[in-house]
Amino acid sequence: DAGVIQSPRHEVTEMGQEVTLRCKPISGHDYLFWYRQTMMRGLELLIYFNNNVPIDDSGMPEDRFSAKMPNASFSTLKIQPSEPRDSAVYFCASSLGLRSPYNEQFFGPGTRLTVL
Amino acid sequence: GNSVTQMEGPVTLSEEAFLTINCTYTATGYPSLFWYVQYPGEGLQLLLKATKADDKGSNKGFEATYRKETTSFHLEKGSVQVSDSAVYFCALSRPPNFGNEKLTFGTGTRLTIIP
Repeated sequence: DAGVIQSPRHEVTEMGQEVTLRCKPISGHDYLFWYRQTMMRGLELLIYFNNNVPIDDSGMPEDRFSAKMPNASFSTLKIQPSEPRDSAVYFCASSLGLRSPYNEQFFGPGTRLTVL
Repeated sequence: GNSVTQMEGPVTLSEEAFLTINCTYTATGYPSLFWYVQYPGEGLQLLLKATKADDKGSNKGFEATYRKETTSFHLEKGSVQVSDSAVYFCALSRPPNFGNEKLTFGTGTRLTIIP
């Protein structure tokens, strides 16, 4: 199994530009999570999906952030327009959720976003 | 609501030293407890877990015991190696009958082992 795949691994953009981060979860997992990690705020859950449906987006910081999951094998997190304070490492994770007795989440390698 | 409090870092130890990273939690019922580890430049990965009181999770020489009476899940290792240098996160999920798909993470503790 390839694990959770994220692209790009690094993204440098200028303030005001649109940024799209991509994630492919582990096949068969029906939960997908987007996290943001910064030195100041640590690890924050932004949004998560169950069977492609958004369940809780209370962690999405502003309307500039949006996430979609058009099918079971693909999700995007979009920031439009981007701002320097969005600079962070964004992680995608997937899990079997309630089908797993241990609720283990499997994390991707992350996308390091820098907004100049 | 649920919360996890971790020992503030960073922690710096010499190789072969004994390690303890403290973790306490607040939750209703009997949550499942986890330690995740993040190596430089990588995502988090599960290190060990415990799902009920008095369970001991163990992996790669690390251990943690689920203590209901003190609401704690401290991480320990008897002899650390340079390769253990990483950030360690304590986490919990609600009991299965409450729906446990989300994890609540602590702030992370950065560990550096010097040769």
